[in-house]
Order: sequence, then C-alpha cells, then structure tokens
Amino acid sequence: AQTVTQSQPEMSVQEAETVTLSCTYDTSESDYYLFWYKQPPSRQMILVIRQEAYKQQNATENRFSVNFQKAAKSFSLKISDSQLGDAAMYFCASQETSGSRLTFGEGTQLTVNP
Amino acid sequence: DTAVSQTPKYLVTQMGNDKSIKCEQNLGHDTMYWYKQDSKKFLKIMFSYNNKELIINETVPNRFSPKSPDKAHLNLHINSLELGDSAVYFCASSHRAAYGYTFGSGTRLTVV
Repeated sequence: AQTVTQSQPEMSVQEAETVTLSCTYDTSESDYYLFWYKQPPSRQMILVIRQEAYKQQNATENRFSVNFQKAAKSFSLKISDSQLGDAAMYFCASQETSGSRLTFGEGTQLTVNP
Repeated sequence: DTAVSQTPKYLVTQMGNDKSIKCEQNLGHDTMYWYKQDSKKFLKIMFSYNNKELIINETVPNRFSPKSPDKAHLNLHINSLELGDSAVYFCASSHRAAYGYTFGSGTRLTVV
C-alpha cells in the first residue's frame, strides 16, 4: 500500500519569492508516478506537475519544479517567483503503475503575501 | 467543453433522504473514480470503475452505491443520508497511470 505524507500543514511566502513544499512517500513498487495537485478556493483540482519514478531528471513546468530524491522517497515542489494566484491547497500524490489508485497526502495550505 | 462534469455542484438535503450525484467525462478515459474530501481537506478514494467494471471498492457504508451505465458515466447514489456524509465529493477519470487524473469540479453535499 502507498502512503504519502506532507508534514507542513501551512506555508506562507512573499510575492515574487520562492517557496518549497515537502512531501515524502512510501511504496513497495519500483515503478510509480508522483504528482502535485493544486486546489484553489474554487475547489477545482488542478494538476501542477508530474514525475515518472524511472526518470532521474526532475520535472519542470514554468515556475514549478520538483526535487525528486528516489532513494529518500522525497518529492518536494518548488514554486519560483510566487504569484498571488498560487495561493491554494497543494496536494502531493502517488500512483503505482500496476494500479489506478491515486493516494494523496494531507495537503499544504499555501498563502502568498503581497 | 468540460472534460469531467459533475452535477449538482451543491446539494443541501435533510437527514434520511436519498440523493444522487452524476458524473460524465468526454475524454475517452477507461477509468472513473469517486473521491470524498472531508472537512480537513483529506481526499480518500471510494470507488473506481474500469470500462463499467468495479475495480476498487473501499470500506464505505452500503448506503453508497456507484453505478456506471457506460464508460463515460459514473453516478453515485446515497441512501438514508447522515450528518457525517457532509463533504465534497469528486468524480475523476484517467487513461493511464502516467497522466494522473482529471477531476470534476466537485459536489458539496450538506446534510442538515
């Protein structure tokens, strides 16, 4: 069974600065995928970035990048040049290739201060 | 052109009532899901269907019954609603594990 842990219930950042959200996971499988989802106040779940576990290169999507440490089972999200629109709940999630279940962490509420 | 659409977006009902939430996806995905998001924002899977076949059935009360008439639709029927059923319910769909899920906008259910 997969588990995903986000140890930071809340984080805050100043506009234009950089923030890193932490995530650790556990899985018995060697092949899996990792994701970060964003949930703004509108409650829509939006895929921010994904990482294939077999790829060593860290994924990047514009201002969003990850630091994937497979041996440590760590998958942090870095948001550069933070914008007010980045304020949201961020969920880390994992999905094993052998199954379809997406397992979520508890979430980190990000506040962006002007 | 909504990819995954859920109706209704809000549902307020009295204890003991029966209600349904509908979900439809136009992405051609084979797998659909229901997730429950509780008051602490924790997301937990309830059910999953692949091509109309139930593949995940978590420990949820028997009052919750999913129905998938075809692979584009997955509805959730809830009997004898209780206060503890109040939550946001998300429908989602996926094609392959590599691409994650596409979520609907959620249904906020309030039982009074």
